[in-house]
Amino acid sequence: SQQGEEDPQALSIQEGENATMNCSYKTSINNLQWYRQNSGRGLVHLILIRSNEREKHSGRLRVTLDTSKKSSSLLITASRAADTASYFCATELPGGYNKLIFGAGTRLAVHP
Amino acid sequence: DTEVTQTPKHLVMGMTNKKSLKCEQHMGHRAMYWYKQKAKKPPELMFVYSYEKLSINESVPSRFSPECPNSSLLNLHLHALQPEDSALYLCASSARLAGVSTGELFFGEGSRLTVL
Repeated sequence: SQQGEEDPQALSIQEGENATMNCSYKTSINNLQWYRQNSGRGLVHLILIRSNEREKHSGRLRVTLDTSKKSSSLLITASRAADTASYFCATELPGGYNKLIFGAGTRLAVHP
Repeated sequence: DTEVTQTPKHLVMGMTNKKSLKCEQHMGHRAMYWYKQKAKKPPELMFVYSYEKLSINESVPSRFSPECPNSSLLNLHLHALQPEDSALYLCASSARLAGVSTGELFFGEGSRLTVL
């Protein structure tokens, strides 16, 4: 079952530009996470934001969470060609069962 | 060692075959997962093991049979699969402290399964 919807589905930008991806979800959550996946590879965890947090930074990444709107955004600043990948938000549902549900994902292409 | 290792990387099997996918981690994580991912789709949760016990089965058909022989190993036994089961199968693990997930999942590179 899919919990999160992401937009845009695909994003194409030039190196040096910022990339913003949005995620919406439907139910209450413990936390929201962002993952990156290079084509056909495993997923890599980028950042986790808990339900009582509003903003978090990690290097060139900035994540916001608005639990009243059930939405989150991921901003990648000063993008590089190496940032080309698919980005997924994932929500951990309450209940202590480690249930992590992924959104549809955004395919980001960064052109040199 | 922050690695989840999956074998085989590629597997081709007929609909009458029995095969297994294997996953191993040595990070001391006590939660392990199987996800299925079709092309250009997000990973879909199949199973969660917590402290070697099956805690979540997302209504997965019985032709997929998970097994957690110990805290480092996770298997997915495959039998009588259908061509639509062809996908990337991802294993992941996460730490648990006092029974509560710490959140972050560590993924393996996946096993790409083709069912003929």
